[in-house]
Amino acid sequence: AQTVTQSQPEMSVQEAETVTLSCTYDTSESDYYLFWYKQPPSRQMILVIRQEAYKQQNATENRFSVNFQKAAKSFSLKISDSQLGDAAMYFCAFLRGGSEKLVFGKGTKLTVNP
Amino acid sequence: DAGVIQSPRHEVTEMGQEVTLRCKPISGHNSLFWYRQTMMRGLELLIYFNNNVPIDDSGMPEDRFSAKMPNASFSTLKIQPSEPRDSAVYFCASSFSGGNYGYTFGSGTRLTVV
Repeated sequence: AQTVTQSQPEMSVQEAETVTLSCTYDTSESDYYLFWYKQPPSRQMILVIRQEAYKQQNATENRFSVNFQKAAKSFSLKISDSQLGDAAMYFCAFLRGGSEKLVFGKGTKLTVNP
Repeated sequence: DAGVIQSPRHEVTEMGQEVTLRCKPISGHNSLFWYRQTMMRGLELLIYFNNNVPIDDSGMPEDRFSAKMPNASFSTLKIQPSEPRDSAVYFCASSFSGGNYGYTFGSGTRLTVV
């Protein structure tokens, strides 16, 4: 079974600075997808960014980018120019190709300090 | 589209009572998922449907839990009888064609069983 590990239960960053959240996963599959979800205090789970395993280019969405290291099975999220609204729980998730079951890590709580 | 709609947003019930959580997926999405989120166990997949048919219910904790999807626009998760350890946030999510582009989540139902 696939597992997703987020080794940082909590992180903090100063407003306007850059922060990187870590995620590693364990799989023997070659076809899969990786995601980062944001869960603010409102509880809504929001998709931040998505990466296809067969694509070497790292995904970017505005201030959010990933560092996808397939050989190391690492998928970190970089948030640039952090804003107060970025404060939330961030979940890394794995989806095996052909499967519909999204497997989540335990999450990282990000605090943004003004 | 209004997104995935869950009701109620909060539910407080007494131990032993029946609880029914409701979900309306995004129109056109053909897969629906029920997740449970707790501090101890994180996000756990309980059951998912594809084209209204239950595909995998291996995450349903016990026979007290049941889920139905009578049509493409409605699903329920029922707990009977409820117990205090069922207290959690229950999320419904939907996706189109396997979730390769991620799920869209509802706002969740916070269930408290006293």
